[in-house]
Amino acid sequence: ELKVEQNPLFLSMQEGKNYTIYCNYSTTSDRLYWYRQDPGKSLESLFVLLSNGAVKQEGRLMASLDTKARLSTLHITAAVHDLSATYFCAVDIGTSGSRLTFGEGTQLTVNP
Amino acid sequence: NAGVMQNPRHLVRRRGQEARLRCSPMKGHSHVYWYRQLPEEGLKFMVYLQKENIIDESGMPKERFSAEFPKEGPSILRIQQVVRGDSAAYFCASSPRLGGSEKLFFGSGTQLSVL
Repeated sequence: ELKVEQNPLFLSMQEGKNYTIYCNYSTTSDRLYWYRQDPGKSLESLFVLLSNGAVKQEGRLMASLDTKARLSTLHITAAVHDLSATYFCAVDIGTSGSRLTFGEGTQLTVNP
Repeated sequence: NAGVMQNPRHLVRRRGQEARLRCSPMKGHSHVYWYRQLPEEGLKFMVYLQKENIIDESGMPKERFSAEFPKEGPSILRIQQVVRGDSAAYFCASSPRLGGSEKLFFGSGTQLSVL
């Protein structure tokens, strides 16, 4: 059974600081996704990582994928309050359509 | 082009009642997925459907839960005789083709509360 683990699960940081969220998964995959969820809202797709070594950046967020280590990272640079949300990684191992297995989520709070 | 539409947005049921959740996929999408999110947890896969077919229901509880995606109309997730533990957010997602997880889009969810 595929397991997807994120850490940390809770992250409180000051504005302007940098931090990294980690996503480990237990089965070979080359499709990994990062989503953002605000309270009471749906999931917003942030990054789609489709190959080993893939790196994508959008604003203050950068995601990378190492399929050999089965590890993805979401790096936050110079955090701002608007980034406060829950971030999920999800893995597709391609066994059943577009079925995703999600991590537990990282609840990020950026304090002024 | 409207996104994935779910309704109702909020649903309140008493224990023992039935809950029906609806999902209309994006235009041109023929694959629908249902996920459940319990409080403070990630999303858990429930079922994958194509038009008139259940492809993978390995995440569905064995009793009280059923799903359909008829030839015409929305996909329906049905929960019979709801219990408090069914309280959760239920998300629907759709994609245009097999293996197209990069094209997976989520609806806004239905928050089910069982009293």
